Amino acid sequence: DARVTQTPRHKVTEMGQEVTMRCQPILGHNTVFWYRQTMMQGLELLAYFRNRAPLDDSGMPKDRFSAEMPDATLATLKIQPSEPRDSAVYFCASGTSDYGYTFGSGTRLTVV
Amino acid sequence: GESVGLHLPTLSVQEGDNSIINCAYSNSASDYFIWYKQESGKGPQFIIDIRSNMDKRQGQRVTVLLNKTVKHLSLQIAATQPGDSAVYFCAENINFNKFYFGSGTKLNVKP
Repeated sequence: DARVTQTPRHKVTEMGQEVTMRCQPILGHNTVFWYRQTMMQGLELLAYFRNRAPLDDSGMPKDRFSAEMPDATLATLKIQPSEPRDSAVYFCASGTSDYGYTFGSGTRLTVV
Repeated sequence: GESVGLHLPTLSVQEGDNSIINCAYSNSASDYFIWYKQESGKGPQFIIDIRSNMDKRQGQRVTVLLNKTVKHLSLQIAATQPGDSAVYFCAENINFNKFYFGSGTKLNVKP
């Protein structure tokens, strides 16, 4: 089965450090989403891309978060500097307009 | 827009019974809907989708019903099994742009 691959699966970092999360979308999928999941807020959309172009990143704190797609096989989400309130599970999902979207297994981020 | 996950409603059913999970969506312009299942420690998993020009769609053991008049979506699971225990989310979408997720319902299947 094709799947969305996210790395790392777990990350523990100190406040103030830079964190980079990576996502390899399914080959042929032209839309990529980044979501954050916490107990308090549930699943929140941070950003999404279509054909590698950013379409919406209004859900992302602009001062510290950035999302990019350097090529069709890689999407990155970067936090600099990280804060304890960024602790969450970050999911990447990819898909096309013809079918539902496939989620990765997530990156569990803990900022201490 | 935002989903709140602090107090998930829980549905408890006996193994073998049918389950019905409900979802109220927010935007009357939404034209595509998906049900996802999320097991502990895993990402959401696609179950079934439906477009707004339909009011019912069936899959294997699952049926999704869409009532656009009252902006309501339901997921029916036939002969519920212990492996169906998870949190279920509905998601709404306009023109295959960003998805908004509901707050989720926890399904607990008792053996």
